[in-house]
Amino acid sequence: QKEVEQNSGPLSVPEGAIASLNCTYSDRGSQSFFWYRQYSGKSPELIMFIYSNGDKEDGRFTAQLNKASQYVSLLIRDSQPSDSATYLCATLSGSARQLTFGSGTQLTVLP
Amino acid sequence: DVKVTQSSRYLVKRTGEKVFLECVQDMDHENMFWYRQDPGLGLRLIYFSYDVKMKEKGDIPEGYSVSREKKERFSLILESASTNQTSMYLCASERTDEQYFGPGTRLTVT
Repeated sequence: QKEVEQNSGPLSVPEGAIASLNCTYSDRGSQSFFWYRQYSGKSPELIMFIYSNGDKEDGRFTAQLNKASQYVSLLIRDSQPSDSATYLCATLSGSARQLTFGSGTQLTVLP
Repeated sequence: DVKVTQSSRYLVKRTGEKVFLECVQDMDHENMFWYRQDPGLGLRLIYFSYDVKMKEKGDIPEGYSVSREKKERFSLILESASTNQTSMYLCASERTDEQYFGPGTRLTVT
C-alpha cells in the first residue's frame, strides 16, 4: 500500500514566521511531488510541484525534496493569516497514473 | 486558466436513489478524475479516465460507476445511494501531472 504521511496538526505559527510542513512517502518509485492548499469549504488548489532533489522556490513558498530520505517539505516564509488552510501533500509514481494524497496538515497563522 | 465545473455544490438524496454528478472541463485535457474527501481519510480516488469511453478503477470504486462520452465531460454515478456515500465529491482534470479541481459537490444521503 503506497502511503503518504503528514502531521495532521493543527500547526500554529505567528504572522511573519516561517511555517514548515512535512511529508514522508513510502513508494520509492514516486517521481513527482505536489503541494495543494485547501481552504475550509473549498477544493484543493495546486500551489507547488517538484520533481528533482533539492529546493524549488516560488515567491514565499519553497518546496524541498530528498528522495533518499523519502521526504518532501513546504516552507512558507513571512506567513500571513491568509495562508491559514489545510495543506495536502501528494505523490505520483512513475508507473502509476494516479496521485496518492496525504491526509493534510492544518495550518493556522495567528495575527 | 483551467476551469473545472461541477453540476451542483450541494445535493441531498434519499437512500436507494440513483445519483448523477457531472464534471466539465474546458481545457481539452485527456485525463479526468473523481475523488471523495472525508474527514480523517483525506482524498480517495474513485475512478479516473484517460480518454473518451475509457475508465479505470481507483482505490474505492465499489458502489460507483462513471461515464465519459465526451472529452470534456466526466460523470460519476451512484447506482443506489447509501448513507455511507455521504461525502464531498471532487472532480479533477489533469495537465502534465498537474491536477486541477472543481469546486466540489457536497452530497448528503438520508
